[in-house]
Amino acid sequence: EAGVTQFPSHSVIEKGQTVTLRCDPISGHDNLYWYRRVMGKEIKFLLHFVKESKQDESGMPNNRFLAERTGGTYSTLKVQPAELEDSGVYFCASSQPSGRGGSGNEQFFGPGTRLTVL
Amino acid sequence: LAKTTQPISMDSYEGQEVNITCSHNNIATNDYITWYQQFPSQGPRFIIQGYKTKVTNEVASLFIPADRKSSTLSLPRVSLSDTAVYYCLVGGGSNYQLIWGAGTKLIIKP
Repeated sequence: EAGVTQFPSHSVIEKGQTVTLRCDPISGHDNLYWYRRVMGKEIKFLLHFVKESKQDESGMPNNRFLAERTGGTYSTLKVQPAELEDSGVYFCASSQPSGRGGSGNEQFFGPGTRLTVL
Repeated sequence: LAKTTQPISMDSYEGQEVNITCSHNNIATNDYITWYQQFPSQGPRFIIQGYKTKVTNEVASLFIPADRKSSTLSLPRVSLSDTAVYYCLVGGGSNYQLIWGAGTKLIIKP
């Protein structure tokens, strides 16, 4: 079974540019999450999709970040315009809904996208 | 959402059993306890999850006392490849948001 995949693995952009990160969850996983770790800090939750709906976006830092999951399959996270403080590693994770073999906290993570804003 | 407290770092030797304890004094009734492992430049990897008492799988055991205010991850016979950061998280039920601490950096020596 294929795991969670993320693209690109690395992205280097200049301040003010736009970047779009993509996440492909495990097939059949309705839940999809975005997290990020900025340099020297802990991993922070950004948002949670259930299928194509945003269940919780309380962690999104500001309106420069836009996440979508059209069709309830893959998701994109767009940063526009990017700022220096957006640099970090962005992780995507997916899980089955609670009640289908777990509490929902068994989240499967992708390898992350390392974003560097110069 | 409950916070957790873990040792910042630990070290041990190959072949030893390693126990990492996590405190979660404010754990809620419907919270699960979940442990993840992370290697450099990789995403976190689920290790084990439990609600109470003891859970064992092919890689680890999780011990949870009756009051659930702490938990201990036990790694039997560690090897060099177990060197990683280990995170203890609590949550679950209707709230899927994971709150991450700094984790425990485990270093295994030959």
